[in-house]
Order: sequence, then structure tokens, then C-alpha cells
Amino acid sequence: DGGITQSPKYLFRKEGQNVTLSCEQNLNHDAMYWYRQDPGQGLRLIYYSQIVNDFQKGDIAEGYSVSREKKESFPLTVTSAQKNPTAFYLCASSIDMETQYFGPGTRLLVL
Amino acid sequence: DAKTTQPPSMDCAEGRAANLPCNHSTISGNEYVYWYRQIHSQGPQYIIHGLKNNETNEMASLIITEDRKSSTLILPHATLRDTAVYYCIVRASGSARQLTFGSGTQLTVLP
Repeated sequence: DGGITQSPKYLFRKEGQNVTLSCEQNLNHDAMYWYRQDPGQGLRLIYYSQIVNDFQKGDIAEGYSVSREKKESFPLTVTSAQKNPTAFYLCASSIDMETQYFGPGTRLLVL
Repeated sequence: DAKTTQPPSMDCAEGRAANLPCNHSTISGNEYVYWYRQIHSQGPQYIIHGLKNNETNEMASLIITEDRKSSTLILPHATLRDTAVYYCIVRASGSARQLTFGSGTQLTVLP
């Protein structure tokens, strides 16, 4: 089945720890995106990538980093510099930069 | 991207049509109207989009007024599984950046 997978579903972070959220797609989409969603809020863009080995900062990139070494994969690292990381993280991909298709999300909690 | 206005919540009886309105009075000529929905704790799901003509797919119909300043998403026979937050988004064609999700409309389908 084609789609976007995110793992893990739940992730716990300790103070000062970096954690990496996985996003994989087998839809052959060029563009991929990372969003953050806080309770009762809309989505805010963290990073996006239009093509392999290229990515751009979104509106709230501070404290996050990404890589795009393969077309299928766009991992997001939440660094210790992100002081308020508790949120629902959503990955999306798009073939035409029009319609975006979302993964199931990863919920990050701080211990 | 143009700003959209949606009612915060609506109820609909199961089996009846759900009509979700959206105002986008500042829409530009090259901006499309997109609808997504998000079921609780899941990633958003694309529903439908259109430019000026009415559109229909297996999920819903989109009615856009002639002046394009408002639109209505119609779920013809709502089921309990359609309970979700519905987002109306206006976005220029070819924009590689994020979808700007507002607060949306919480649709509750009642048995």
C-alpha cells in the first residue's frame, strides 16, 4: 500500500536530549513537509523540502533540524535547543506542491 | 494566502447532508479553495479543492460562489465517522510552502 508512515507513534524526551522522528513515504513524491500542532491549534510549518538534498526553514524552525538524503525519507530531529517540544508532529508529502498527504503523526512528550 | 473564516462548530444528524460554509472574501484570482479534515489525534486528510467551478468526488462536493468570496463543502450523507475538524484553506497554485490551517469547524455527526 502506498502512503506515509511516521514512527514512533509516541516519543518521550528527557531534558537536554535530542530525539529524531521518522517520516517515510513510498508515493514517489518530491516535496515533503514537517508541521507541529499544539492542542486546539492549527498546523505550523517547521521545515519543508522540495527535492532531495535541499530543504528550507518554515515559520518555527528554531530548535529543529532535518535532512533529505533520500527521496523517501525526511527525518526531523528535535534538539535540546527546542524548549517547548511537547506537541503533535505531522509529516506530509506532495507530488505537485498542491495537495498534501499526511502521515498519522508522532506525539512527543517531555519527561 | 487569503484568510478564511469558518464557524467554530456545527452539528449534523447521521444520514443527513452536512453543509460547511467558508468565507474567503480576499481571495485572489489564482488562489484555489482546499478542504481538509482532521479526525481527533490523526493526520489531516485531503478532501477536495477547486478554483471557480463546483467540484465533486467520492467524498464530498464543493460549491464556490460566482464571486468566489465564499464556498460550501457538502457531505451528502454524513456518518459518525465524518465527525472531525474541517479546514478551509485558500492557496495560490504552485506555492511550495505550507498549508495555513486556521481553527476550522468542528463537525459533530449525531446518531
